[in-house]
Amino acid sequence: GAGVSQSPSNKVTEKGKDVELRCDPISGHTALYWYRQSLGQGLEFLIYFQGNSAPDKSGLPSDRFSAERTGGSVSTLTIQRTQQEDSAVYLCASSFSEKLFFGSGTQLSVL
Amino acid sequence: SQQGEEDPQALSIQEGENATMNCSYKTSINNLQWYRQNSGRGLVHLILIRSNEREKHSGRLRVTLDTSKKSSSLLITASRAADTASYFCATRYSGGSNYKLTFGKGTLLTVNP
Repeated sequence: GAGVSQSPSNKVTEKGKDVELRCDPISGHTALYWYRQSLGQGLEFLIYFQGNSAPDKSGLPSDRFSAERTGGSVSTLTIQRTQQEDSAVYLCASSFSEKLFFGSGTQLSVL
Repeated sequence: SQQGEEDPQALSIQEGENATMNCSYKTSINNLQWYRQNSGRGLVHLILIRSNEREKHSGRLRVTLDTSKKSSSLLITASRAADTASYFCATRYSGGSNYKLTFGKGTLLTVNP
């Protein structure tokens, strides 16, 4: 089957605009993660969804960031009023066990 | 920070040589995983070692875990140019939020032909 799909693969936006990033996990995977990776850095945890449980939002850097997961499948990460420091690769991963399967990420550039 | 830390940050070797990368972490873990990333995009899982294991092999990969020193190493034998990538260790902690996988900053491996 298909792997984790993220869209768009690249997004260029102007400072102050809102953006939505989408993640389609592997079918049947109950866990979904969002990470952020700045240039040359490690992965920064943002948010975690598991089934119907309340998500762990502890990694979201500010209230401009939000995420939802509809029907236990597709997830959308929304960044409101984007800032230049939001520029990074946003990675989504899904899992049904202990190892994560990653999408190819969305490269976000805020001008 | 609970992040694992890889060492070295960058490693350059010749094809055919072995590459060793190290990872240190701070608190008790359930398991430690190694991932590979090409060109700054998606990561690919390589190998998982549990806290009660000391060594694991997968093809040309060998991972060791020393829980007393809170460290792990990844050895790639007989390296190839195609092994050029960033390698990350990731730890799943045994405490509260044990679903989280916490990543280090990675080691950039360059294998020269």
